[in-house]
Amino acid sequence: AQSVTQLDSHVSVSEGTPVLLRCNYSSSYSPSLFWYVQHPNKGLQLLLKYTSAATLVKGINGFEAEFKKSETSFHLTKPSAHMSDAAEYFCVVSEGLLSGTYKYIFGTGTRLKVLA
Amino acid sequence: DSGVTQTPKHLITATGQRVTLRCSPRSGDLSVYWYQQSLDQGLQFLIQYYNGEERAKGNILERFSAQQFPDLHSELNLSSLELGDSALYFCASSATSRNEQFFGPGTRLTVL
Repeated sequence: AQSVTQLDSHVSVSEGTPVLLRCNYSSSYSPSLFWYVQHPNKGLQLLLKYTSAATLVKGINGFEAEFKKSETSFHLTKPSAHMSDAAEYFCVVSEGLLSGTYKYIFGTGTRLKVLA
Repeated sequence: DSGVTQTPKHLITATGQRVTLRCSPRSGDLSVYWYQQSLDQGLQFLIQYYNGEERAKGNILERFSAQQFPDLHSELNLSSLELGDSALYFCASSATSRNEQFFGPGTRLTVL
């Protein structure tokens, strides 16, 4: 079975400094990976996705993630944090099922705090 | 705005009651998914429908059921409610199960 581990439950950065949110996955084959963001009392918004094309994936709002197969990692980065980036971030792996469909496996989330 | 709509936004009810949550997927999406988000369990996949048929089940209790109608909207029915059922319930949709999912704003259920 596939799984994802988000290595930090909380991350604090100062506004204007880089953001790094770490995610490791476990998969027996080439996975589809996603990052979602959830602002307080809101639904989840897709930031970016990796589906076995380019290993460096660019997303919305200046975020990007790099798929590293040798390290089984899919870390999310942003060069300069903005106050509006404060939210919870979820790393997700898509798992194929015997029924032929796919389901999401969510990480436990990383809460990003941005300090003024 | 993801294009997925959910009603109601908030629901307050008592233990033992039954409620129905409604979801309309993005235009053209055939797959609908239901999730439960709570502080202690995190985000849990409940069930998936594709074009009216159930395709996958996750950690869905027997007291919960869902269906997808011919117009592709979906309903999640929760019965014999318990305090522990208080949570945010999300619906998501995708074109096919291989595609990324788009989430609705959620329904916050409070069971008193």
